[in-house]
Amino acid sequence: GAGVSQSPRYKVAKRGQDVALRCDPISGHVSLFWYQQALGQGPEFLTYFQNEAQLDKSGLPSDRFFAERPEGSVSTLKIQRTQQEDSAVYLCASSPRPGNRAGNTIYFGEGSWLTVV
Amino acid sequence: QQQVKQSPQSLIVQKGGISIINCAYENTAFDYFPWYQQFPGKGPALLIAIRPDVSEKKEGRFTISFNKSAKQFSLHIMDSQPGDSATYFCAASMGNDMRFGAGTRLTVKP
Repeated sequence: GAGVSQSPRYKVAKRGQDVALRCDPISGHVSLFWYQQALGQGPEFLTYFQNEAQLDKSGLPSDRFFAERPEGSVSTLKIQRTQQEDSAVYLCASSPRPGNRAGNTIYFGEGSWLTVV
Repeated sequence: QQQVKQSPQSLIVQKGGISIINCAYENTAFDYFPWYQQFPGKGPALLIAIRPDVSEKKEGRFTISFNKSAKQFSLHIMDSQPGDSATYFCAASMGNDMRFGAGTRLTVKP
C-alpha cells in the first residue's frame, strides 16, 4: 500500500507477556518514528530511526521497551513483560527526509492498539 | 514535562462558524509548528504548518496565527463544516523531537 502500515491493529496481552508491534513505512522513507498515544492524549515521542540507525531513544519509558529497524525499512517495537500502564495506541510514522523539519511531511500509520489485562 | 499546552479540550461550533484552537509552547528552540487532524481509529494527518519567521499562514479555510514573542500559536477554521469534526493536535518540533499538545475535540453541529 501507499501509506504507513502497522500490525497488529489490535492486541490484547496478559500482564507479563511480551509483545511485538510491526511498522512498514512508506517505501524509501529515511526517517521512522514511534509514538505512544494514551487515551485522550496527544502522541508522545518514543524513538527515532534514520535509515537503520536509532539516533534517538530518549522517549522509551523503560528498558522493557526496545525498537529496531535492521535493514532501514520495516521496524519492530518490542515491549517485554507488559504492564497495564503500557496500554495505549502505538503510532509509527515515516518521512522522506531526516528529522522533523518544515517541508518534511511526517505520515502516520493508523496505530496498534495495545490493551494489557 | 508538558512543553506544549493546548486549549480548549473540547469545542462545539455551529456549521459555518469559526473554530479557534490555541497553543502555547515553552522552549524557544522549537522551529516548526504543525497542526494535525485525527479522526477516530486513524493516525494523525498533517493539516497545516508554520515556521517561526512567519506570523500567519493560510491554506483554504485553515489559518495558523503565530506570535513568537508570546510563544503562542493558534488554528482558525473558517466556515466550519460537520466533516471538520475531529481531534486537532498542535505540535512543536526541533530536530527529531516533536512534542504534541493534548488535543482538542472539535464537534461541528449541522
